[in-house]
Amino acid sequence: ETGVTQTPRHLVMGMTNKKSLKCEQHLGHNAMYWYKQSAKKPLELMFVYNFKEQTENNSVPSRFSPECPNSSHLFLHLHTLQPEDSALYLCASSQDLGATNYGYTFGSGTRLTVV
Amino acid sequence: GESVGLHLPTLSVQEGDNSIINCAYSNSASDYFIWYKQESGKGPQFIIDIRSNMDKRQGQRVTVLLNKTVKHLSLQIAATQPGDSAVYFCAEPENSGYSTLTFGKGTMLLVSP
Repeated sequence: ETGVTQTPRHLVMGMTNKKSLKCEQHLGHNAMYWYKQSAKKPLELMFVYNFKEQTENNSVPSRFSPECPNSSHLFLHLHTLQPEDSALYLCASSQDLGATNYGYTFGSGTRLTVV
Repeated sequence: GESVGLHLPTLSVQEGDNSIINCAYSNSASDYFIWYKQESGKGPQFIIDIRSNMDKRQGQRVTVLLNKTVKHLSLQIAATQPGDSAVYFCAEPENSGYSTLTFGKGTMLLVSP
């Protein structure tokens, strides 16, 4: 366990479904991130939250909707996804916004399959 | 934007060999680099980092070398073990107003017994 927990580990959903991914960290970190990892591509940053406030939306389609109720929890709400959205979704946290202090701690990810 | 990339997509070695994984970066202003290891079914895990005022940094069985002249980073793993089989990423802070990490595509390291 890295200290960042993601649930569920695996998710299969239809294109008309609505589902949510959950991320939880008890490391006392102030910044949290959602990344998308597709085959043969670099990790793609989706959203950044610092002290519960969204600081970056990296041109992500509106069918992905993040929520950060507090510094320990991060959600990614999914609706009307497309098959090309199938990927591993990784949550990460860091002490502060900025990567110069040991980088990020990642969760194990949610493997999402859209059918 | 700036890119972080890797020379070799797959590296196959025998157990006990030394492994070298390379990374080229394009942002000459980058002052911090990190290597991550991602095992199957897991998220990336921090291995070692290096700041630009250093050329070399050693950890347990791992060494990172930084050549700022040619903007090249390498990760050396001594006495590679089957448990080292994973994808290895280099990363650097993105050159924006606040720093998020930019990752390379990764190199798959396969260690044969």
